[in-house]
Amino acid sequence: GQQVMQIPQYQHVQEGEDFTTYCNSSTTLSNIQWYKQRPGGHPVFLIQLVKSGEVKKQKRLTFQFGEAKKNSSLHITATQTTDVGTYFCAGVDGNQFYFGTGTSLTVIP
Amino acid sequence: DGGITQSPKYLFRKEGQNVTLSCEQNLNHDAMYWYRQDPGQGLRLIYYSQIVNDFQKGDIAEGYSVSREKKESFPLTVTSAQKNPTAFYLCASRFGGQLFFGSGTQLSVL
Repeated sequence: GQQVMQIPQYQHVQEGEDFTTYCNSSTTLSNIQWYKQRPGGHPVFLIQLVKSGEVKKQKRLTFQFGEAKKNSSLHITATQTTDVGTYFCAGVDGNQFYFGTGTSLTVIP
Repeated sequence: DGGITQSPKYLFRKEGQNVTLSCEQNLNHDAMYWYRQDPGQGLRLIYYSQIVNDFQKGDIAEGYSVSREKKESFPLTVTSAQKNPTAFYLCASRFGGQLFFGSGTQLSVL
């Protein structure tokens, strides 16, 4: 089946440092979504990218979709303690969502 | 409040026992999903349903069963055939292309 790999698995940063997580699919995706799961919580939708090369921003978060629509990244500028959690990418193919393994972010005050 | 309700929050299973996890939504969404979450493995699809009385197996359906008799409800049964059931189970519905998740059920084996 379709595989979506995500790196790194864990990331510890000092508050104020930047953070990036990368997502790679074995096949071309129709679109890719990003979700955030706070510790002890459930995943919450952040954003969807559809077009090749698309870049979207949400305040300090920047999302990119690769030109070949097989990879994506999430970059957080100047992390804050509220950014703590696990970030998942999800490749969408029809009715199915293929989740990456997630990147767990710890922000050290 | 509109949303997806999963119950119970914690569930314990004895050897050889079937257990059923509840998932109810009042969002009027057609599609519903069940995922299993294990540490370091992300979310893996167990079953999904696009409409009432119809469902499809996901990547790890063995040892699980579902039903979709009503639009609002999509219960998951973990059967005794599932030899490693300890995990966090998440139910979700889909609308507008995105998934809306319940708060999950942590299943453990006694």
